[in-house]
Amino acid sequence: AQKVTQAQTEISVVEKEDVTLDCVYETRDTTYYLFWYKQPPSGELVFLIRRNSFDEQNEISGRYSWNFQKSTSSFNFTITASQVVDSAVYFCALSEGGANSKLTFGKGITLSVRP
Amino acid sequence: ETGVTQTPRHLVMGMTNKKSLKCEQHLGHNAMYWYKQSAKKPLELMFVYNFKEQTENNSVPSRFSPECPNSSHLFLHLHTLQPEDSALYLCASSLLSTGGSGYGYTFGSGTRLTVV
Repeated sequence: AQKVTQAQTEISVVEKEDVTLDCVYETRDTTYYLFWYKQPPSGELVFLIRRNSFDEQNEISGRYSWNFQKSTSSFNFTITASQVVDSAVYFCALSEGGANSKLTFGKGITLSVRP
Repeated sequence: ETGVTQTPRHLVMGMTNKKSLKCEQHLGHNAMYWYKQSAKKPLELMFVYNFKEQTENNSVPSRFSPECPNSSHLFLHLHTLQPEDSALYLCASSLLSTGGSGYGYTFGSGTRLTVV
């Protein structure tokens, strides 16, 4: 069975600080996909990134970066020089590669960035 | 605009009312989903539709009745709800009927439901 653990529930930082959101996953499949979504106060979940299990290369997109480590089953998300607009709930999610696979979400991390 | 449109954005209803939530996507996706998000709880998958056919019902009470007339539209009919049903109801769609499987989901903005 697949499982996603986001041990942090709430994080508060001051603007311009760097912050890392942790995600640990469990799966028995060798093929799987990892995602991060952002949920701003408006409610919709906004897709941020997708990673497949065969690509461990870290990715950087502007102030966002992701560190995928299969050895520790982690897919952590770092925001550099955080801004108030980064305040949101962030979800990590996992999908296994088989047919009828669904997205399993972690419980989410509420990030508050204070000016 | 995410590509998945949900209406209404907010809904207040009494426990004896009947109302419907609507979800619409024109992304060419073949699978649609209803999720419930309560305060301080993880996202709960309620229903899954693949090519208009319901393929999953996660033990959802019968006071929630989904309808999928075509691959672009999904409804959630509500009747005789309880106050604990107050939550954000999110609709999502995905390209393939195999759901996540690498493609992820596109979510709507949700309907904030309050049952009084």
